[in-house]
Amino acid sequence: TQLLEQSPQFLSIQEGENLTVYCNSSSVFSSLQWYRQEPGEGPVLLVTVVTGGEVKKLKRLTFQFGDARKDSSLHITAAQTGDTGLYLCAGANSGGSNYKLTFGKGTLLTVNP
Amino acid sequence: GAGVSQSPSNKVTEKGKDVELRCDPISGHTALYWYRQSLGQGLEFLIYFQGNSAPDKSGLPSDRFSAERTGGSVSTLTIQRTQQEDSAVYLCASSPRGATSNYGYTFGSGTRLTVV
Repeated sequence: TQLLEQSPQFLSIQEGENLTVYCNSSSVFSSLQWYRQEPGEGPVLLVTVVTGGEVKKLKRLTFQFGDARKDSSLHITAAQTGDTGLYLCAGANSGGSNYKLTFGKGTLLTVNP
Repeated sequence: GAGVSQSPSNKVTEKGKDVELRCDPISGHTALYWYRQSLGQGLEFLIYFQGNSAPDKSGLPSDRFSAERTGGSVSTLTIQRTQQEDSAVYLCASSPRGATSNYGYTFGSGTRLTVV
């Protein structure tokens, strides 16, 4: 069973601060995705990273896929209150069942004004 | 439709009753997934449908759970003889194809099931 560990589990910061969320596994994934979920809603896809070492930027969010495709990080610069939410990483299995995503338990981010 | 639609949004049921949860995926999306989200447990894979292929039911937690997808579109997740441990948010997602390397899931807003 492939597992994804996310850290920290909870994060509360002030508006304007920077933060990094981590997603780690002992397994190799064919791709990794990051989602953000708000209360009462389903997760919304932020980004998909496929290549080891890949870095993608989405405005103030920077996503990195580890060289060995076992880990990933999400860095937010100058956080805003609108960034508040549950951040989930999800890895696509290697091999024939790559349609199946394994989710981490998430990082609950609160950005205070 | 424009997004993945799930109904009902909330369901409270008595222990032992059967429930049906409905998912209407994005038109044209051939892959459909059901996940369960419990407090502190993250998202748990339940079942996957892809076109006319046999579904992957490997995540269904017991034989009280079943799902079908009619006409390659709408899906229904049925839980028989509900138990309190079935209380969770049931999320449906669809994607254009089964391969997830380049396509993410589009999730519905979920059905919050409470068994009392």
